[in-house]
Amino acid sequence: DTAVSQTPKYLVTQMGNDKSIKCEQNLGHDTMYWYKQDSKKFLKIMFSYNNKELIINETVPNRFSPKSPDKAHLNLHINSLELGDSAVYFCASSRGLAGGIEQFFGPGTRLTVL
Amino acid sequence: KQEVTQIPAALSVPEGENLVLNCSFTDSAIYNLQWFRQDPGKGLTSLLLIQSSQREQTSGRLNASLDKSSGRSTLYIAASQPGDSATYLCAVIPGNTPLVFGKGTRLSVIA
Repeated sequence: DTAVSQTPKYLVTQMGNDKSIKCEQNLGHDTMYWYKQDSKKFLKIMFSYNNKELIINETVPNRFSPKSPDKAHLNLHINSLELGDSAVYFCASSRGLAGGIEQFFGPGTRLTVL
Repeated sequence: KQEVTQIPAALSVPEGENLVLNCSFTDSAIYNLQWFRQDPGKGLTSLLLIQSSQREQTSGRLNASLDKSSGRSTLYIAASQPGDSATYLCAVIPGNTPLVFGKGTRLSVIA
C-alpha cells in the first residue's frame, strides 16, 4: 500500500523517559511534517523537513528532536518526557513545499505520559 | 497570524439531511484550502483540496466552496449517512508553510 505509516500507534511511558516515534512514506514525496493534536483536538505544526533539511520549527521545546535519515523517513525523538507531551502526533508528507500542494497524513501515534 | 475557525463545533442531524459545515480564515492570502475527515482514533483523510484560484471542488456527495475575499469556505454534504459521522477539519496553507487547522466540526448522523 502507498501511504504514510507511523510506529508505534500507541505509546505509554513514564515522565522523564526518552522515546522515539517513526514515520515513513512511500509516496515519493520530498517534504515531511510532524503535527501535534492536543487534548482539545487542535492540530498544530511542529516541524517541516524538505529534502532532509529542517525548514520549519514552530517554537517546539528542544526536548523534541526530529531526524530525517532520508527523504522517506522523518523520526521524532523526545527527551525527558513531560505530562504535557501527552497528545496524538501525526506525520504527513507532500510533494514539495509550494502552496497548493496536498498533504497526506499518517494514522497518528497516541502518546500518553504518566 | 492566520487563524482558522470552524462553526459549529458539533452538529447532529438525522440521516438523509443535507448539511453545511463552515470554515473561516483571517488572512485571505492563502494558497489553498483542504478539508479533512478524522474518525475517532484514526488519522486524517483528505476529502477535498481547493486551490486559491478555484471556487469549488466536488467529490461524490461532497462539495466544497471557497470565497477567498471574504475568508470563507463551506463543505456541503448531501443526503447524509451514518457513515459520515466523524470530525471534519478545515485547513489552509498561508504561503510556503504547513497547514493551519481549525478545531473541527464533530458531525453525528443519526440513523
